[in-house]
Amino acid sequence: KQEVTQIPAALSVPEGENLVLNCSFTDSAIYNLQWFRQDPGKGLTSLLLIQSSQREQTSGRLNASLDKSSGRSTLYIAASQPGDSATYLCAVSPHAGNNRKLIWGLGTSLAVNP
Amino acid sequence: GAGVSQTPSNKVTEKGKYVELRCDPISGHTALYWYRQSLGQGPEFLIYFQGTGAADDSGLPNDRFFAVRPEGSVSTLKIQRTERGDSAVYLCASSLKGWETQYFGPGTRLLVL
Repeated sequence: KQEVTQIPAALSVPEGENLVLNCSFTDSAIYNLQWFRQDPGKGLTSLLLIQSSQREQTSGRLNASLDKSSGRSTLYIAASQPGDSATYLCAVSPHAGNNRKLIWGLGTSLAVNP
Repeated sequence: GAGVSQTPSNKVTEKGKYVELRCDPISGHTALYWYRQSLGQGPEFLIYFQGTGAADDSGLPNDRFFAVRPEGSVSTLKIQRTERGDSAVYLCASSLKGWETQYFGPGTRLLVL
């Protein structure tokens, strides 16, 4: 059974720091991996999607890497800003079958302090 | 263009009552997913539609939960005889064909008293 773990559970940093959020998964047979952002009381916003054949994806100050064989992904946020404060969730889609349901970690709650 | 919308945004009901939660996916998206998120947890998969049919309903917790998508667009999640443990945020997502990025609605916050 696929399990997704995110470390750390919470992180508080001063503005301007570069930071890394970690995600690990137990079954390497994934179709893709996505990083999402969730703001309090709001829905989920997809940040980056990495296909199983890819190693990384970049969008602005965000870079996500994927090492499928070791079951790990990292989300790198450069030059953090207070507006980055949110919960970041990692989710994997299993490879088997046609259902691309997402299996989620518990998230990392990030606070960027001005 | 319009994103995924969900109504109502909040629903308070009493134990034992019946509730319906509605999801309007992005126009043209054939895949639709329902998830449930409890406080402090990641979302939990409930059911996946491809077109009008439920391709995978393995995440529905019990037979009190049912979902339909009769015309392949709007979906309704139905919960009978609600229990306090059903209280959560119910999230709906859609994607173009099923294997791309999933776009989420704002969720319906359900509170069962």
